[in-house]
Amino acid sequence: LAKTTQPISMDSYEGQEVNITCSHNNIATNDYITWYQQFPSQGPRFIIQGYKTKVTNEVASLFIPADRKSSTLSLPRVSLSDTAVYYCLVGEANYGGSQGNLIFGKGTKLSVKP
Amino acid sequence: EAGVAQSPRYKIIEKRQSVAFWCNPISGHATLYWYQQILGQGPKLLIQFQNNGVVDDSQLPKDRFSAERLKGVDSTLKIQPAKLEDSAVYLCASSPPTSGIRKTQYFGPGTRLLVL
Repeated sequence: LAKTTQPISMDSYEGQEVNITCSHNNIATNDYITWYQQFPSQGPRFIIQGYKTKVTNEVASLFIPADRKSSTLSLPRVSLSDTAVYYCLVGEANYGGSQGNLIFGKGTKLSVKP
Repeated sequence: EAGVAQSPRYKIIEKRQSVAFWCNPISGHATLYWYQQILGQGPKLLIQFQNNGVVDDSQLPKDRFSAERLKGVDSTLKIQPAKLEDSAVYLCASSPPTSGIRKTQYFGPGTRLLVL
């Protein structure tokens, strides 16, 4: 499974766009990139997933360059409630197999200030 | 749709005691996971079930931890005897039986265990 590297922490202010970059130099052909969000005292929550180029949903956008060695999670106009830990994960799309398991790093602790 | 349910939410025990955690996954989810999350770290997979069979338990400390998923629905995770370093949040997650795109895992609120 590809190892990921992301900043330990980031600070932002309400209304700003936040971009969290994750490096995954050893990403494999079958690997997808997935981001999870975790609030204190809660389990992680799926945010977005992609394979290449750009993916957008109602919560965030995920930008993946052609070489796929990094990815950027973009949160538009953050609010105080976006304060959380964000995890970048890389792994295979393998239904039912152990190769599809998630390996979490320490994540990026995002603090949004008023 | 109801989420992943876990109980208890909090548990305090003394070292060498036993403890059990319960998880009820989202209805229809064939895959169930147990994670351990130590303060300040990301969750670490302990065991993965596919229906009632174990797919991966390579990181489960089998001398003290055990898990079962009878009938392929609910699951229990047991620690016997507990050590101080077992203090953590134990998260249960489940995944739907989709193929192709990487499966999304849905996490429960976790059980916070404190071993004194």
